Amino acid sequence: DAKTTQPNSMESNEEEPVHLPCNHSTISGTDYIHWYRQLPSQGPEYVIHGLTSNVNNRMASLAIAEDRKSSTLILHRATLRDAAVYYCILRDRNYGGSQGNLIFGKGTKLSVKP
Amino acid sequence: NAGVTQTPKFQVLKTGQSMTLQCAQDMNHNSMYWYRQDPGMGLRLIYYSASEGTTDKGEVPNGYNVSRLNKREFSLRLESAAPSQTSVYFCASRVPLSAGLVNYGYTFGSGTRLTVV
Repeated sequence: DAKTTQPNSMESNEEEPVHLPCNHSTISGTDYIHWYRQLPSQGPEYVIHGLTSNVNNRMASLAIAEDRKSSTLILHRATLRDAAVYYCILRDRNYGGSQGNLIFGKGTKLSVKP
Repeated sequence: NAGVTQTPKFQVLKTGQSMTLQCAQDMNHNSMYWYRQDPGMGLRLIYYSASEGTTDKGEVPNGYNVSRLNKREFSLRLESAAPSQTSVYFCASRVPLSAGLVNYGYTFGSGTRLTVV
């Protein structure tokens, strides 16, 4: 199964854009790219997902490279409440039945400075 | 609509004691999951349940048992707690993000912080 690589940590200033990178060079053609985040002392929450085209929602944008070997989560204006661990995730087929399971690695810890 | 509810939120056990972590979802989802998260680590899958009455092992099932007696509830039991099971436990339910089973997302509970002394 394909794995993802993310920086361990990043820093941002409040109200500035943040670009969180993710490499997934062994992604299969049908795998969606999922992003979740985990705020302190909470369970992970869904942020965005995509397959090939760039995606936007109220929380963030997802830019996917043309070869799909990397992607970038974009927070357009970081706030203090965006400080969290951000996970870039692909589906793992070893567990979770026929639909597989989402594997949460260590993610990127984003710090936001006022 | 509460989503995924976990109880208790905190628990301290002595080595060898048993307990059951409860998880319930009100979204009528078929699939449910139990994960553990250790400091500085990602989430590791303990057990999952694809539907009512079925359960399967995940990556780290040793020392745990699960029960899915109905569609709504998925419980995790520690028969004889060990200090190595000190962790934060998360339950999740799978929700379809769009049409087609290949594309789905998870809704997580707020976690149970368990300490075994």
